[in-house]
Amino acid sequence: EAGVTQFPSHSVIEKGQTVTLRCDPISGHDNLYWYRRVMGKEIKFLLHFVKESKQDESGMPNNRFLAERTGGTYSTLKVQPAELEDSGVYFCASSQVKTHDLPQHFGDGTRLSIL
Amino acid sequence: GENVEQHPSTLSVQEGDSAVIKCTYSDSASNYFPWYKQELGKRPQLIIDIRSNVGEKKDQRIAVTLNKTAKHFSLHITETQPEDSAVYFCAAGFNKFYFGSGTKLNVKP
Repeated sequence: EAGVTQFPSHSVIEKGQTVTLRCDPISGHDNLYWYRRVMGKEIKFLLHFVKESKQDESGMPNNRFLAERTGGTYSTLKVQPAELEDSGVYFCASSQVKTHDLPQHFGDGTRLSIL
Repeated sequence: GENVEQHPSTLSVQEGDSAVIKCTYSDSASNYFPWYKQELGKRPQLIIDIRSNVGEKKDQRIAVTLNKTAKHFSLHITETQPEDSAVYFCAAGFNKFYFGSGTKLNVKP
């Protein structure tokens, strides 16, 4: 079984540019989560999809961040325009919908560097 | 919301010794407590988890204890090996997870 995959693994962009991160959850997992880890700090929750619906987006830092999951399969997280403080590792995780608090399976993350 | 605190931030032990990492949480509604291990450049991997109706769980050299009254839970690694070296994250939650800030464990051969 393929795990959670994220693309790209690393992105370096300049301040003010736009970047889109992609996450493909494990097949059959309706729950999809985005997290972010800024260097040296905790992994912070950003938002949670159940299929294509945003269940909880309370962790999204501001309106420069837009997450979508059209069709309820893969998800994208767009940052526009990027700021220096957006640098960090963005993780995606997925789990089955029936027992959403069961282990969340993480992807390798996308390391985002804003110059 | 939930607030998870994790200590220590770094831990260095000699191979064969035990390592203990402690976490506290604030939201009594949290009922699931996973522990993740993240090796350098790799994804966080679940190593053990515990639910609020259980006080202790063990899997070979790894054990987790939970004290719901005190709102704290701990990870215990016995007979540590160099390959246990990694960053360990605790998490607590109900509908979503809040993570601790991580503990960098270094096991010296």
